Amino acid sequence: EAGVVQSPRYKIIEKKQPVAFWCNPISGHNTLYWYRQNLGQGPELLIRYENEEAVDDSQLPKDRFSAERLKGVDSTLKIQPAELGDSAVYLCASKPGFSTDTQYFGPGTRLTVL
Amino acid sequence: AQTVTQSQPEMSVQEAETVTLSCTYDTSESDYYLFWYKQPPSRQMILVIRQEAYKQQNATENRFSVNFQKAAKSFSLKISDSQLGDAAMYFCATGGSNYKLTFGKGTLLTVNP
Repeated sequence: EAGVVQSPRYKIIEKKQPVAFWCNPISGHNTLYWYRQNLGQGPELLIRYENEEAVDDSQLPKDRFSAERLKGVDSTLKIQPAELGDSAVYLCASKPGFSTDTQYFGPGTRLTVL
Repeated sequence: AQTVTQSQPEMSVQEAETVTLSCTYDTSESDYYLFWYKQPPSRQMILVIRQEAYKQQNATENRFSVNFQKAAKSFSLKISDSQLGDAAMYFCATGGSNYKLTFGKGTLLTVNP
């Protein structure tokens, strides 16, 4: 069974540029998460989807961040414009359904904003 | 609200020996889960072990086991017969009815040959 797929693995951009990250969850997993992991910290939730609905986006900085999961499968997280403080690893995770089942993580995208 | 505290930023162990990583947590949930994840340099978070809070029996997975003290809100991870491949960042996390995980800051484990 394929795991959570994320691309790109690395991204370097100048500040004020836009950037997008893509995630394809494990097949059949209805719940999808985006986390941000700052250097030396644990991951922090940005947004959670149940199918195509964003059910928890309270931690998403909505002035510059947006996300979508149009068909309830893969998802895109966008930052526009990027700031220096956005440099971090962006992790996608998925799990099956409404439960506290184990979340399975992708390899992450390391973003560097110069 | 949930908080997770890992008081050991770094730990080291000799190959084949045993090491224990500490974790304390706080939660207002009555039904919750606790997890240990491993993050090697590849950055992928890998589940090590999982414990349901309603279960009194400590979870075990091969060389990995936990000491779950519910009243003390403590959830430590014991790694027996440490191997070089165990070297990584280890994160303790809790999850509840809000279906999100709250992580600690991690413990960097070094395994010396």
